[in-house]
Amino acid sequence: SQTIHQWPATLVQPVGSPLSLECTVEGTSNPNLYWYRQAAGRGLQLLFYSVGIGQISSEVPQNLSASRPQDRQFILSSKKLLLSDSGFYLCAWANPAWGEKLFFGSGTQLSVL
Amino acid sequence: QKEVEQNSGPLSVPEGAIASLNCTYSDRGSQSFFWYRQYSGKSPELIMSIYSNGDKEDGRFTAQLNKASQYVSLLIRDSQPSDSATYLCAVRRTSYDKVIFGPGTSLSVIP
Repeated sequence: SQTIHQWPATLVQPVGSPLSLECTVEGTSNPNLYWYRQAAGRGLQLLFYSVGIGQISSEVPQNLSASRPQDRQFILSSKKLLLSDSGFYLCAWANPAWGEKLFFGSGTQLSVL
Repeated sequence: QKEVEQNSGPLSVPEGAIASLNCTYSDRGSQSFFWYRQYSGKSPELIMSIYSNGDKEDGRFTAQLNKASQYVSLLIRDSQPSDSATYLCAVRRTSYDKVIFGPGTSLSVIP
């Protein structure tokens, strides 16, 4: 069976500090991978989308970046966090053969102070 | 115009009633449609997917799609307090495209 791991679950960071969130998927190959952000009480904002190693589509211009160094690993980074980067970050994977049904990780609650 | 729109709610229904959740989308060429449920503080989970016009039923849930009207809905029959959550509508435009979410509708089922 397939599983998705996302860590850490919570993170408190000062403004201007770096960020690295990691997501890994097990039990499948060549998944499509997503990073979403959800502000309190809001919907999911798509940040990055990847269909393969090194292939990253950026949806929102901002101080975040993403990388996919391995087939089932997706990393979200920032060199300098802003207050506005606070939110609930969700990684998700999809099997392209399954009609792009998304399966989400447990999320990271990031607070930038 | 936002790509995917939903009424934010909250929508309140009594236990045992039918809850009706609505979603509209802007891209007429969209092909795939999804409903996700999200409990507070948790990640979304897929409830239904629908790809062609008409109704699709799964247990107490029915998804309805009308591509001509660019409208997709979710009906929850015999609503239970455990159905209280935020329901997110999601749309994918083509087979090679990403999934875009609406803002979600908060549902409260009153015992």
